[in-house]
Amino acid sequence: EAQVTQNPRYLITVTGKKLTVTCSQNMNHEYMSWYRQDPGLGLRQIYYSMNVEVTDKGDVPEGYKVSRKEKRNFPLILESPSPNQTSLYFCASSLVKGTSGTRGQYFGPGTRLTVT
Amino acid sequence: QKEVEQNSGPLSVPEGAIASLNCTYSDRGSQSFFWYRQYSGKSPELIMFIYSNGDKEDGRFTAQLNKASQYVSLLIRDSQPSDSATYLCAVIQAGKSTFGDGTTLTVKP
Repeated sequence: EAQVTQNPRYLITVTGKKLTVTCSQNMNHEYMSWYRQDPGLGLRQIYYSMNVEVTDKGDVPEGYKVSRKEKRNFPLILESPSPNQTSLYFCASSLVKGTSGTRGQYFGPGTRLTVT
Repeated sequence: QKEVEQNSGPLSVPEGAIASLNCTYSDRGSQSFFWYRQYSGKSPELIMFIYSNGDKEDGRFTAQLNKASQYVSLLIRDSQPSDSATYLCAVIQAGKSTFGDGTTLTVKP
């Protein structure tokens, strides 16, 4: 089954404790992206990757790191989480169209993170 | 001004009616345009994408794009109660993806 998987689905942690949220896709998509969704603020892009070893900042990259060492995986790292990073996080992937467009993103199930 | 703006909603239509959802964007360099549907507590799912001016139809859904007016819309014909959800408009330019805040649609039986 074609899918984007995220782990963990739910996480409660404390301020400053490093954590990683994994994202994996089995569709051989070049493009992968991380979003956070907050009430009243909508879906905002954190980082994206057009292909292996290529990553770029989205609108809200502060406090997050990513890496793209393999095509299928795109982990999101919070080196020192803070309460304002409490949110619902989505990973997504897509085929790339032409030189920079995409064909529509497929989203993972989401990770609900609470930082106390 | 937000980069992607949608009707604030909520939008309510009777079953069988046409639902019209609108979106405007500010970046003229935007290349690709998408509509997603998000049910409460679920992840967004892709409905349609459109790249060129004009209409694109897929079943009960029609996306319309007007780059000169920086406007993209989604029409849902023969609306069903199962179409009740939040609809998100998204634009992409060079990989950077921006979503609107969404319009919540309720289809009443």
